[in-house]
Amino acid sequence: QLQLQESGPGLVKPSETLSLTCTVSGGSISSSSYYWGWIRQPPGKGLEWIGSFYYGGSTFYNPSLKSRVTISVDTSKNQFSLRLSSVTAADTAVYYCARHHELGRPYFDYWGQGTLVTVSS
Amino acid sequence: QSVLTQPPSVSAAPGQKVTVSCSGSSSNIGNHYVSWYQQLPGTAPKLLIYDNNKRPSGIPDRFSGSKSGTSATLGITGLQTGDEADYYCGTWDSSLSVVFGGGTKLTVL
Repeated sequence: QLQLQESGPGLVKPSETLSLTCTVSGGSISSSSYYWGWIRQPPGKGLEWIGSFYYGGSTFYNPSLKSRVTISVDTSKNQFSLRLSSVTAADTAVYYCARHHELGRPYFDYWGQGTLVTVSS
Repeated sequence: QSVLTQPPSVSAAPGQKVTVSCSGSSSNIGNHYVSWYQQLPGTAPKLLIYDNNKRPSGIPDRFSGSKSGTSATLGITGLQTGDEADYYCGTWDSSLSVVFGGGTKLTVL
């Protein structure tokens, strides 16, 4: 059974960089069949896609966040990471990592439990 | 402001049927597959429907999906109190982005 688990600091100061890691077990992120992505959900609000990568080397970001987001991969640890720079209170959210299928039909079938990141001084 | 438009809330009595709409445009729903997610309080979203109308293994056939033009609909029959949750639609947009609806809160009266 595929499992995803987010980890990282729960509190980040304004203007600093948010860093999270997603550890995948029960499957390989090197699989050519899937994309791996990050989604966030501000408290009491809806879902927002942040970005995804495909093991073949392609990375895709939400245009509204693209200038501040980097997704990287560590295949030796079966992990992928999110970095979001210059954070503000508006970046406070539960951050999820998830697996999904091709971009034209991006359904997310496995999700992590989510981790709350609060941006505050 | 979400790219896909959903009603903020819907409600129905136990045992009844309810539908949740998701409205988009030719840039998204009109030319791409739609998926639906159920989010119970305090939990991660769960895939209910993919490719407009397909159910993953383990999802009961009380849940159904359809698409027509630039709109999609989630249907739930035989409502149960355990179905109380937020429901989200999602798809790909030609702006090169995965987009979601704003979510619909289902209340089972």
